[in-house]
Amino acid sequence: KQEVTQIPAALSVPEGENLVLNCSFTDSAIYNLQWFRQDPGKGLTSLLLIQSSQREQTSGRLNASLDKSSGRSTLYIAASQPGDSATYLCAVLGGGADGLTFGKGTHLIIQP
Amino acid sequence: SAVISQKPSRDICQRGTSLTIQCQVDSQVTMMFWYRQQPGQSLTLIATANQGSEATYESGFVIDKFPISRPNLTFSTLTVSNMSPEDSSIYLCSVEDPGGTGKYEQYFGPGTRLTVT
Repeated sequence: KQEVTQIPAALSVPEGENLVLNCSFTDSAIYNLQWFRQDPGKGLTSLLLIQSSQREQTSGRLNASLDKSSGRSTLYIAASQPGDSATYLCAVLGGGADGLTFGKGTHLIIQP
Repeated sequence: SAVISQKPSRDICQRGTSLTIQCQVDSQVTMMFWYRQQPGQSLTLIATANQGSEATYESGFVIDKFPISRPNLTFSTLTVSNMSPEDSSIYLCSVEDPGGTGKYEQYFGPGTRLTVT
């Protein structure tokens, strides 16, 4: 059964810092990996999708990498802003499961 | 991407009753999913709903408790039956690959926040 772990569970940093969120998964037979953002009481916003054949994807200040063989992904946020405060979820498609398997998320607070 | 709406956005229900949640997407999609997010937890897949076939349920979820309909390629419903306080959660629908890109990207609705008293 696919399992997804996210580290750290929570992170608080001053505005302007660059930061890295980590995600690991147990079964490397995945189709893709998605990073989502969830604001309190809201649904999920898709940030980046990395297909299994790709190593990284970039969108604005966000960069996500994927090392499928080692079962790891990182989300890099450059020049963090208070508006980046949210819970960031990592999810994988595949590894023996229908639908996405989610990690428990990283609760991020950017201090003004 | 896709625009996904859910109704209701929130509800407070009494134990023993049932609630049907609707999910509407603005384009035709083959794969739709229903997830549950319990308080303070991450998302867990309830079932996969494909048009023209029976929904496929994950371990721990059964059709009698969570019946699902998928009458066409843009709409699905999830019913939470005989509710108990343990069913208090956010229920989210998602769609896969609405643009037919082959990337299997999933997009989520805004969720339905259910409180059972």
